[in-house]
Amino acid sequence: QKEVEQNSGPLSVPEGAIASLNCTYSDRGSQSFFWYRQYSGKSPELIMFIYSNGDKEDGRFTAQLNKASQYVSLLIRDSQPSDSATYLCAARGNAGGTSYGKLTFGQGTILTVHP
Amino acid sequence: DAGVTQSPTHLIKTRGQQVTLRCSPKSGHDTVSWYQQALGQGPQFIFQYYEEEERQRGNFPDRFSGHQFPNYSSELNVNALLLGDSALYLCASSLEGWGDEQYFGPGTRLTVT
Repeated sequence: QKEVEQNSGPLSVPEGAIASLNCTYSDRGSQSFFWYRQYSGKSPELIMFIYSNGDKEDGRFTAQLNKASQYVSLLIRDSQPSDSATYLCAARGNAGGTSYGKLTFGQGTILTVHP
Repeated sequence: DAGVTQSPTHLIKTRGQQVTLRCSPKSGHDTVSWYQQALGQGPQFIFQYYEEEERQRGNFPDRFSGHQFPNYSSELNVNALLLGDSALYLCASSLEGWGDEQYFGPGTRLTVT
């Protein structure tokens, strides 16, 4: 079992729709979760981070965390063609643990938003 | 606000050679992490440097080594290059004690032939 798994994709949505990206993690000690966007040929760009159970909204993006289910998601509302990219989910362990400091990434989900 | 910078952008090396990659963290950041990203995969953690010491290491062989300087910049060294070392090498910086957010530089594309 991979430590961080993302829905396999690729995911294709029409412009204006909601894109839903999902991620599960196996280490219950994980405390912080991050979503990165990576355009082809570029480096990952931090979009959102979430530490607490529940929802966190930032503009068109909403991150959701359920620690009991070990599940993280990212919703993109009013999707635009410029949102087409690979989305990476990452988890970080708690302070003092062996995974503190490092980010463990999923394999990424390719999102295509078509006009 | 200066972001994370890396050099060189691209590099082509021959199997068996050694390579040094460089990273300057975002202004105000003191912690540097290195990641390797193979094509179509998520980044894999190599190691992290804080206060000029390697604080944590991922599952990479000793051929991968690093250093952090007093100005917080960092180097990644890879010895005895293998074809499988071909990848995008990413440096990420963060500020200890002020949250977990790591910001990536543009990366160095290493090709081993």
